[in-house]
Amino acid sequence: DAGITQSPRHKVTETGTPVTLRCHQTENHRYMYWYRQDPGHGLRLIHYSYGVKDTDKGEVSDGYSVSRSKTEDFLLTLESATSSQTSVYFCAISAGAGGRQETQYFGPGTRLLVL
Amino acid sequence: GENVEQHPSTLSVQEGDSAVIKCTYSDSASNYFPWYKQELGKGPQLIIDIRSNVGEKKDQRIAVTLNKTAKHFSLHITETQPEDSAVYFCAASKAGGTSYGKLTFGQGTILTVHP
Repeated sequence: DAGITQSPRHKVTETGTPVTLRCHQTENHRYMYWYRQDPGHGLRLIHYSYGVKDTDKGEVSDGYSVSRSKTEDFLLTLESATSSQTSVYFCAISAGAGGRQETQYFGPGTRLLVL
Repeated sequence: GENVEQHPSTLSVQEGDSAVIKCTYSDSASNYFPWYKQELGKGPQLIIDIRSNVGEKKDQRIAVTLNKTAKHFSLHITETQPEDSAVYFCAASKAGGTSYGKLTFGQGTILTVHP
């Protein structure tokens, strides 16, 4: 299994509070991604990073921000959590974005409940 | 942007039967099509992928076919076993260039294999 950990694995929070989820990798892969998984929607890309301090928005980025100050860590922040952000969040990594390196490996997920 | 449709949403088969899951995509520039298997409480795991310069790929009991003209691709599982029961996701991306390997996922198929 790819060396990806996510923390926390489970979190319950209240509407309006800030929340930060962490993704940590030991593979030294350049690309990192945050997805959310909701019934009927599959996985949807929130934000991604193509290098340290290089990030961009995905399909469902409203209400989320990210930071990547080190190769191994990619943080996802919900500035002010809402009930619509209740979901399972997955981090993924890949060595490249083309050729044979674009395979994405997923972490175990973080289950977030916003009350 | 890319849109991926996946059918059926649920699939029930008897052990030993074959299972087929189909996906269509909208962006003719997409060139990389992975399939993921997700077991309960875990992150998605890549089981097979195909690139647009190939029409079919097999790996033991699993095969994927791609029809670029019709913009659809399918997952075939033969001789199904109870341990094949899981949620399966198809995805598409434009690997390489400035796409940064962003994946667009289908909605998922819950496969149940009855002993």
